[in-house]
Amino acid sequence: DIVMTQSPDSLAVSLGERATINCKSSQSVLYSSNNKSYLTWYQQKPGQPPKLLIYWASTRESGVPDRFSGSGSGTDFTLTISSLQAEDVAVYYCQQYFSTPYTFGQGTKLEIK
Amino acid sequence: QVQLQESGPGLVKPSETLSLTCTVSGGSISSYYWSWIRQPPGKGLEWIGYIYYSGSTNYNPSLKSRVTISVDTSKNQFSLKVSSVTATDTAVYYCARHTGGYSGPMDVWGKGTTVTVSS
Repeated sequence: DIVMTQSPDSLAVSLGERATINCKSSQSVLYSSNNKSYLTWYQQKPGQPPKLLIYWASTRESGVPDRFSGSGSGTDFTLTISSLQAEDVAVYYCQQYFSTPYTFGQGTKLEIK
Repeated sequence: QVQLQESGPGLVKPSETLSLTCTVSGGSISSYYWSWIRQPPGKGLEWIGYIYYSGSTNYNPSLKSRVTISVDTSKNQFSLKVSSVTATDTAVYYCARHTGGYSGPMDVWGKGTTVTVSS
């Protein structure tokens, strides 16, 4: 299984400031034939299902604010929120869909400082 | 737009079989892969397995011996069965759609249904 490890486990950021969450996979999730990294980011608010934010490591899902961005390739990835808003308080998960079993990171809890 | 709705018993006794159904509305179940994911209370997400509308499946080895996922295209539904449940199967169970094939992100999720395993 590919193990996904996120850092930090929790993060407190002031409103309007930048938030950065990291995700590392135990093996590459880059498919060489199409040069795509099979990595998504989800946002989960209490009592709600996960919401797809980013796929192919850096493609923003339709309707997701442009303050959310994803970067990285291979084994190291980053989710950045450029200017934190109150509604961004949530737990964020990375997930690989390169190979089964699909696996998630343990989650990063983002709070307001 | 496509919506997913999980349904099934909220309470299951230990050693019995957990059975859930996901109903797809606003679109066809055809030509997509569909997954089940679960989340124990206060914990992270675990992928259980997926099914294609044609019936082909792929399961998480950690649960493979106890899991069956099936599809009923006439009802636009797919289902999950987990046998011999224990307290560790207590979780919120989600169904989700894969976009772009089986190796695609899960772009539509149901709201989830809570299943408690207890006598």
